[in-house]
Amino acid sequence: DGGITQSPKYLFRKEGQNVTLSCEQNLNHDAMYWYRQDPGQGLRLIYYSQIVNDFQKGDIAEGYSVSREKKESFPLTVTSAQKNPTAFYLCASSPGQGRQPQHFGDGTRLSIL
Amino acid sequence: QQQVKQSPQSLIVQKGGISIINCAYENTAFDYFPWYQQFPGKGPALLIAIRPDVSEKKEGRFTISFNKSAKQFSLHIMDSQPGDSATYFCAAGDTDKLIFGTGTRLQVFP
Repeated sequence: DGGITQSPKYLFRKEGQNVTLSCEQNLNHDAMYWYRQDPGQGLRLIYYSQIVNDFQKGDIAEGYSVSREKKESFPLTVTSAQKNPTAFYLCASSPGQGRQPQHFGDGTRLSIL
Repeated sequence: QQQVKQSPQSLIVQKGGISIINCAYENTAFDYFPWYQQFPGKGPALLIAIRPDVSEKKEGRFTISFNKSAKQFSLHIMDSQPGDSATYFCAAGDTDKLIFGTGTRLQVFP
């Protein structure tokens, strides 16, 4: 079955530590996205990529970094500069740019120890 | 201008009733309006979507109504069922990305 796989499902971060969230898709989609979900705030865009080796900042990119070395993979690193990282992180992909249905993974919940 | 405002924040409906969720946008460059359904611990899933060349789209019990002049669109769930209990997000798309509303938590009681 085609889909998006996010791992791990739960992740704990110590103060001052960088952590990387994995996102892999086998839908052959060109575009991939990372969102942060907090209660009552909906989904906020962190980064997005429309093609390999290229990505753009979303609305809340500070404290995060990404790479897009392969079409299938779009990992997100939450750096120590992100002072409030506790959230539910969602990865999505779509066949093309914005006017396309986005398919989501089942998320990674990040908590601070 | 990039915001999508969604209301209500929460909604309680009796089984068999109609659930209505409203969204409004300001950016006239938006031309793709999807609705997503999310169950706890899962990612959102596309429910239904509309483009601004039509005023209404129906798929089963789910209908999107779109008012281009008012820059508003809404989701109607007819004959609401307990299995519809979830969080619903509207969104608006332009050339690059989707902007999501803040979500509506729907509870349908038997």
